[in-house]
Amino acid sequence: EIVLTQSPGTLSLSPGERATLSCRASQSVSSSYLVWYQQKSGQSPRLLIYGASRRATGTPDRFSGSGSGTDFTLTISRLEPEDFAVYYCQQYGNSPLTFGQGTRLEIK
Amino acid sequence: QVQLVESGGGVVQPGRSLRLSCAASGFSFSSYAMYWVRQAPGKGLEWVAVISYDGKNEYYADSVKGRFTISRDNSNNTLYLQMNSLRTEDTAPYSCVRGRGTSPLPLRYFDLWGRATLVTVSA
Repeated sequence: EIVLTQSPGTLSLSPGERATLSCRASQSVSSSYLVWYQQKSGQSPRLLIYGASRRATGTPDRFSGSGSGTDFTLTISRLEPEDFAVYYCQQYGNSPLTFGQGTRLEIK
Repeated sequence: QVQLVESGGGVVQPGRSLRLSCAASGFSFSSYAMYWVRQAPGKGLEWVAVISYDGKNEYYADSVKGRFTISRDNSNNTLYLQMNSLRTEDTAPYSCVRGRGTSPLPLRYFDLWGRATLVTVSA
C-alpha cells in the first residue's frame, strides 16, 4: 500500500500570502494518478487538481499542482479568505487507492 | 442540479445492520462508477466500496469485505450500501461519490461528493 504523508499538518498563514503544501508518497506514483481535494468545514471534499497539475473545472488559477515520483506540491499563489480549509492528496495509480491525512490551512 | 444526496444513517448497536441510500440527480448516473467513502475521526478518508457503471462489478476495502454490499438501481438513479455485522470502528460519515478516470476499478479519483450520512455504531 502506498502511504501518502502530507506536510505540514497545519499551516498558519495570512490572506495574500503564498501557501505550499507537500504530499510525499512511500513509493513512486505516476503523475497522472495524483489528485488534490479541498474540504471546507462542514462540507464534503471538492476536487481541485487532477493528473498532479491539471485544474478541475471551477478551480481558480491561483491553485497549481506540481511534482513527480514521490514528491508532489499544491501551491496557492495568493491566499483568499475562502481558501482556508483542509487539503487532501490522493493516489489511484496503485491498489488500494489511498489518501493523505490532510493539511489544515488556517488563518494566522 | 448535479448532486448526490445520502440517507439512511443513524445509531445502531454492534452486530446489527443498516442500509444507506444515495439519490443522484443532474447527470447520467448509469454512465459512472460509484463509490462509498467514509471519513472516520482520526483515521482520514477511506474508500469503502465501488460498483461499476452497469452494476456488474463490485470491489470492497479489506476492512468491510464480507460484511458490506454495494448495489445500484440505474432506473431510479440510486446507489445503496447494505452494512451488516457492524462494528464500532465502522462509525463515520459515509459519502456517496462519483468516480472518474479510465483505470481499472477500483482505481479512480472523485469529482462529485454527497454531503454524507452519519453512521454511529455504539452499544
